[in-house]
Amino acid sequence: EDQVTQSPEALRLQEGESSSLNCSYTVSGLRGLFWYRQDPGKGPEFLFTLYSAGEEKEKERLKATLTKKESFLHITAPKPEDSATYLCAVRITSGTYKYIFGTGTRLKVLA
Amino acid sequence: DAGITQSPRHKVTETGTPVTLRCHQTENHRYMYWYRQDPGHGLRLIHYSYGVKDTDKGEVSDGYSVSRSKTEDFLLTLESATSSQTSVYFCASASDYNSPLHFGNGTRLTVT
Repeated sequence: EDQVTQSPEALRLQEGESSSLNCSYTVSGLRGLFWYRQDPGKGPEFLFTLYSAGEEKEKERLKATLTKKESFLHITAPKPEDSATYLCAVRITSGTYKYIFGTGTRLKVLA
Repeated sequence: DAGITQSPRHKVTETGTPVTLRCHQTENHRYMYWYRQDPGHGLRLIHYSYGVKDTDKGEVSDGYSVSRSKTEDFLLTLESATSSQTSVYFCASASDYNSPLHFGNGTRLTVT
């Protein structure tokens, strides 16, 4: 069964304390892995797409990496405004137009 | 952003009543999706559309129907609302098969 698992469920960091979020996946065939940020009361906002193992993408304090079994979202020197829920999703090669989402990591960055 | 508008943003309804949620996008995206988001389950696909009048079921489609008569509009109907359909509903769109999804800000539905 295709599955996406995110860890940890919740993470509290002090401002400036770098860390990583994990997204592990077991899917029949990967067409792409997507990271989203979701603020309370809002829809998910697209951050990155990764297509193949070894690929990396960066945006400000965020860096996403991909291996054959998992992806990491590295947050360097986070600020309170980075507090949000981070979701990952995979697009699979099953022939349908489906994305499978993880349940997210709730990040809180304390000033 | 894809410019996706969902309406209403909040709705309270009674068990057994029909409910229609609306999604409107201004980016001429071909693909549109309806998801529900519940604690512990993440986003689950209800129905999706790959073109005008072309729709298919997702993983949690029972009790829901959809229609897409125009590229920009995708309607989700709860035929007879139940308390288990209390959730936050998100609409999303994408320009092509492998593009990232762009989401609206959701509709919070409460079925009493």
